[in-house]
Amino acid sequence: GAVVSQHPSRVICKSGTSVKIECRSLDFQATTMFWYRQFPKQSLMLMATSNEGSKATYEQGVEKDKFLINHASLTLSTLTVTSAHPEDSSFYICSARGQLSEAFFGQGTRLTVV
Amino acid sequence: GEDVEQSLFLSVREGDSSVINCTYTDSSSTYLYWYKQEPGAGLQLLTYIFSNMDMKQDQRLTVLLNKKDKHLSLRIADTQTGDSAIYFCDSGGYNKLIFGAGTRLAVHP
Repeated sequence: GAVVSQHPSRVICKSGTSVKIECRSLDFQATTMFWYRQFPKQSLMLMATSNEGSKATYEQGVEKDKFLINHASLTLSTLTVTSAHPEDSSFYICSARGQLSEAFFGQGTRLTVV
Repeated sequence: GEDVEQSLFLSVREGDSSVINCTYTDSSSTYLYWYKQEPGAGLQLLTYIFSNMDMKQDQRLTVLLNKKDKHLSLRIADTQTGDSAIYFCDSGGYNKLIFGAGTRLAVHP
């Protein structure tokens, strides 16, 4: 079946540095990918919709300059957390819809900013 | 706009049935889905139902769909400790993938 691969699974970075998270669709093309942040109370917050070849669509309240999204090919979308701060520490998940519109998810990235 | 709502928490005894409910607003999709998230992991597709069906059974899982009321439910028969997880419903929609808070299912002896 379709697979979405997300890397890294865990990252610890210093405050003020930037972190890039990759999301790849391994055996299908994904013109649209979704990025989420999951808070400790479990809810999945949609941050942005990543569109291949065009600018991402950000949800209200998400800073586009802080969370840079690039979707340069049909199989790769990246989320860069710029100038990370401890409050950016979270679990980030990417997703893409398959042919039947079922969603496939990356394994998630646990970001810790110290 | 699109919205998905689920109850946040459900606690059941091992061996009992669990019913997780979901209401949604976007009803344009062909399929509706349930995903399961185990602790510290990503989400995985658990089951789905075609929008023209009102029930689908898949081993211990039964999905019920009431399109008129925009209500989707997931019933887990003979709930086991391995079913403890967070469950998310997805009303489909290719260009949008919004989840509610998810329902945390806790199974106790």
